[in-house]
Amino acid sequence: NAGVMQNPRHLVRRRGQEARLRCSPMKGHSHVYWYRQLPEEGLKFMVYLQKENIIDESGMPKERFSAEFPKEGPSILRIQQVVRGDSAAYFCASSPGSLRGGNTIYFGEGSWLTVV
Amino acid sequence: GESVGLHLPTLSVQEGDNSIINCAYSNSASDYFIWYKQESGKGPQFIIDIRSNMDKRQGQRVTVLLNKTVKHLSLQIAATQPGDSAVYFCAENRGGENRDDKIIFGKGTRLHILP
Repeated sequence: NAGVMQNPRHLVRRRGQEARLRCSPMKGHSHVYWYRQLPEEGLKFMVYLQKENIIDESGMPKERFSAEFPKEGPSILRIQQVVRGDSAAYFCASSPGSLRGGNTIYFGEGSWLTVV
Repeated sequence: GESVGLHLPTLSVQEGDNSIINCAYSNSASDYFIWYKQESGKGPQFIIDIRSNMDKRQGQRVTVLLNKTVKHLSLQIAATQPGDSAVYFCAENRGGENRDDKIIFGKGTRLHILP
């Protein structure tokens, strides 16, 4: 079984451009989570989605950031008008169902965004 | 802020010795805990998990202990090897409402293996 697939693995954007990060969950997984990690820090929760629904976006910055998980296709994390502070590793994770229901969450290898 | 924290940011262990990485959590409603290993440039790799109805769980060379009374979690790695060098994170799931069905990470402990 393929794991959580993220692309691109590395992305360089100039200030003011848009960054789009994609995540294909593991087969059979309908729950997707996005996290951000700055160097030498832990992973910070951003958003939790199920198919076509945003369940919890409490970790998303109020502006410029958006996420979706359409009925078909990968989940997308979009960052508009990027600034240098957006430079980080962005990790996607997926689970087959609720964690309360005995499921486990697995992570992809991340997308490293560098804003120049 | 994060409620899951670690006592030590860096741990150095002699190769072949056992490693113990500690983690404290503050939310007594948390009922699911996971340890992840993260190597440089890679994503978090699942090591072992434990639910709150257990106080110990063993895997291959790893053991997780959960003490709900003092809200403390530990990861024990037996016979530490050079390949165990990484940053280790504990994470908790707070249960409750559907929107809380996510995991929250601590800051991590870097494990150094001494030859």
